[in-house]
Amino acid sequence: DSGVTQTPKHLITATGQRVTLRCSPRSGDLSVYWYQQSLDQGLQFLIQYYNGEERAKGNILERFSAQQFPDLHSELNLSSLELGDSALYFCASSAYRGVNTGELFFGEGSRLTVL
Amino acid sequence: GDSVTQMEGPVTLSEEAFLTINCTYTATGYPSLFWYVQYPGEGLQLLLKATKADDKGSNKGFEATYRKETTSFHLEKGSVQVSDSAVYFCALRVNNDMRFGAGTRLTVKP
Repeated sequence: DSGVTQTPKHLITATGQRVTLRCSPRSGDLSVYWYQQSLDQGLQFLIQYYNGEERAKGNILERFSAQQFPDLHSELNLSSLELGDSALYFCASSAYRGVNTGELFFGEGSRLTVL
Repeated sequence: GDSVTQMEGPVTLSEEAFLTINCTYTATGYPSLFWYVQYPGEGLQLLLKATKADDKGSNKGFEATYRKETTSFHLEKGSVQVSDSAVYFCALRVNNDMRFGAGTRLTVKP
């Protein structure tokens, strides 16, 4: 158990809809990262937050947005969903900022299926 | 930019065979290097890491040595088991950026 909690574990929805994925980082971790893993694809970095502030942006679509709340949990909002958005969405957390030795701790992921 | 390249899979081995999964990196700074493993239906777990040149990370019989001269961090295991079947990801971290390789799927047959 990594200590990172993601909900829901599975989600099935229709094209055009909007969903919210939730992540609770490990206790005390200030950084939260979101990744997308499509079938047979590697991990695509979406976005990172540190203590409530957006820290880095990767290949995140304009239809997607995220935020980190004062209690440090984070939400990833996916809107106007398309079939190609079907993927595993991982959240990871890390205690460090500006220190390059720290590993990321991953949740079990939220599997999104868009029909 | 900073990046990681790892050997393409899938890799299929018989039990007790020797495993090597190649990983090379490009980085402008001084990265830490990681191997993560993803078992079927699960999230990524840290397998091992090395934070500076010539460091050797090891865990569960897996090893990887941080080679600055060849910019490599190859994963090795002397005798694989069926339970090692998973996807393996090489990754580097410079400051706050964590970059992952594409992943290598390993299947070990009895």
